[in-house]
Amino acid sequence: AQTVTQSQPEMSVQEAETVTLSCTYDTSESDYYLFWYKQPPSRQMILVIRQEAYKQQNATENRFSVNFQKAAKSFSLKISDSQLGDAAMYFCAYKVVSGSRLTFGEGTQLTVNP
Amino acid sequence: ETGVTQTPRHLVMGMTNKKSLKCEQHLGHNAMYWYKQSAKKPLELMFVYSLEERVENNSVPSRFSPECPNSSHLFLHLHTLQPEDSALYLCASSQFLTPATNYGYTFGSGTRLTVV
Repeated sequence: AQTVTQSQPEMSVQEAETVTLSCTYDTSESDYYLFWYKQPPSRQMILVIRQEAYKQQNATENRFSVNFQKAAKSFSLKISDSQLGDAAMYFCAYKVVSGSRLTFGEGTQLTVNP
Repeated sequence: ETGVTQTPRHLVMGMTNKKSLKCEQHLGHNAMYWYKQSAKKPLELMFVYSLEERVENNSVPSRFSPECPNSSHLFLHLHTLQPEDSALYLCASSQFLTPATNYGYTFGSGTRLTVV
């Protein structure tokens, strides 16, 4: 079975600084997607960034980028120039290409200090 | 407007009550999902519907009963719940059952359920 592990229950960062959130996963599949979702106090799960496993190039979306290490089964999220609005719970998630199930990690609560 | 609307936002119910959670999407999506989010635990997939047909039921107790009358609406009927069922219940939708990343999932803001 696929599992996703986020080893940092809480992280904090100063405004304008950079922070990296860790995620590891376990799978025997070769074709899958990885996601980072953000859940602010409004509770809606918002997609931050996604990565296709077959792509070697790391995905980037403005201030958000990932470090995807397929062999190590690691998928970390880097947030640059952190803003107060980035404060939220961040979830790493996995989905096999042929399936509909999203498997989530336990989440990392990110605090941004002014 | 999130695209996926869940009501009510909060719900407190006794263990002998019967209540229902509602999820609505007008995105033209064909698949809808119920997830349970408990504190300090990963989100758990409960049910999956595709074109109004239940395609996945992940060992969810029978006190949770889903209903999908059409592709825009999804309900979760609750009866004789236990305090450990208290959680945030999230609804999601996707255009297809196996969405490519270009489509992805749209989540609602959830119903915070407290069982007393």
